[in-house]
Amino acid sequence: GESVGLHLPTLSVQEGDNSIINCAYSNSASDYFIWYKQESGKGPQFIIDIRSNMDKRQGQRVTVLLNKTVKHLSLQIAATQPGDSAVYFCADARETSGSRLTFGEGTQLTVNP
Amino acid sequence: DTAVSQTPKYLVTQMGNDKSIKCEQNLGHDTMYWYKQDSKKFLKIMFSYNNKELIINETVPNRFSPKSPDKAHLNLHINSLELGDSAVYFCASSQVPGTSYNEQFFGPGTRLTVL
Repeated sequence: GESVGLHLPTLSVQEGDNSIINCAYSNSASDYFIWYKQESGKGPQFIIDIRSNMDKRQGQRVTVLLNKTVKHLSLQIAATQPGDSAVYFCADARETSGSRLTFGEGTQLTVNP
Repeated sequence: DTAVSQTPKYLVTQMGNDKSIKCEQNLGHDTMYWYKQDSKKFLKIMFSYNNKELIINETVPNRFSPKSPDKAHLNLHINSLELGDSAVYFCASSQVPGTSYNEQFFGPGTRLTVL
């Protein structure tokens, strides 16, 4: 029968493990790529961004990798904690369009204690 | 201190009604946005205002009308509500859109349910 409800990609990890969330994009002209985190019942929150002329950028416990050859973006979270459980979105932006963000499909990350 | 606030947090109404959602930011930003998030969590921009001037107007039914009385406020008025308008609406703000990406700060969202 037909299923209804959320069909988000999901990722389930054990507390303390590393998490990798992937995102594919199609717009070769994007100048920035951004990761947002959305906890249940809250608005999206900025995590980290990367310019299109970079391959890697690190933040606190997070690393974003950009592979322009295959148009792929990933977010790595080190030592995942229960508080990291959320929906993660990638988004892109172009300098010529100011701050217009185009969001990708989210990924639901669940951290098991 | 709340950076971007929205009221109400929940809104339940009948089809055909007219309703408004209010948004305020105290970050001193010049640009504000409205996004719609559907039941599958897909997030899409609807409008953007820079210093009270409309700069982004996506393909949205003209039943939706944003109003910016000043650069700290961006309200969303919806006429003749339809079932398909049920969603979570997010307001966001950022610094002046220019030639570089500016982080957007999102409000807590308004869950609109049309019966």
